[in-house]
Amino acid sequence: NAGVTQTPKFRILKIGQSMTLQCTQDMNHNYMYWYRQDPGMGLKLIYYSVGAGITDKGEVPNGYNVSRSTTEDFPLRLELAAPSQTSVYFCASSNQGQIYEQYFGPGTRLTVT
Amino acid sequence: KNEVEQSPQNLTAQEGEFITINCSYSVGISALHWLQQHPGGGIVSLFMLSSGKKKHGRLIATINIQEKHSSLHITASHPRDSAVYICAVISQGAQKLVFGQGTRLTINP
Repeated sequence: NAGVTQTPKFRILKIGQSMTLQCTQDMNHNYMYWYRQDPGMGLKLIYYSVGAGITDKGEVPNGYNVSRSTTEDFPLRLELAAPSQTSVYFCASSNQGQIYEQYFGPGTRLTVT
Repeated sequence: KNEVEQSPQNLTAQEGEFITINCSYSVGISALHWLQQHPGGGIVSLFMLSSGKKKHGRLIATINIQEKHSSLHITASHPRDSAVYICAVISQGAQKLVFGQGTRLTINP
């Protein structure tokens, strides 16, 4: 099993550009999450999904959108990139919710200039 | 004040030393996670606990629900233990993880 994979690993965006961060898991997990990690700060939840077709906002959803058309994929969309979105983004999945062990992807380092 | 506070923020020790990282939280919780973030950035789940103590190899995690406190111990520390250790809690009824800011551990040979 590959676990949770994320692409790209690194990306530099100009202000106002759009991009999609890809996340795929092959463990048949229902729950998937997107987090951002800013320097010196704890991980913050952006969006999460409890199954295909169901998504919900986390702590810091503004400026982002998600979709969950399949169990495996949970892409994160940035429509109008802003410098405040410079961060490291982690996708994670779990079998039954955050009370259980989460499996993290390797992260995407995004810089918006 | 953050809901989850870790101490120390940075810790440097010599190989072989016994390490303790602390996590205090201010809300009632249903579970607590300890995570390890490698220097390359990858995050691995170490423990999930809601009471008592768990052990995995040289790592031991304890939790005291009444005192709202958890500790992560590393015995016979090794340079490969150098990483950021993250505590995260799930508030009762909230079903979402709240993360501490992490403790950066450096073990020198």
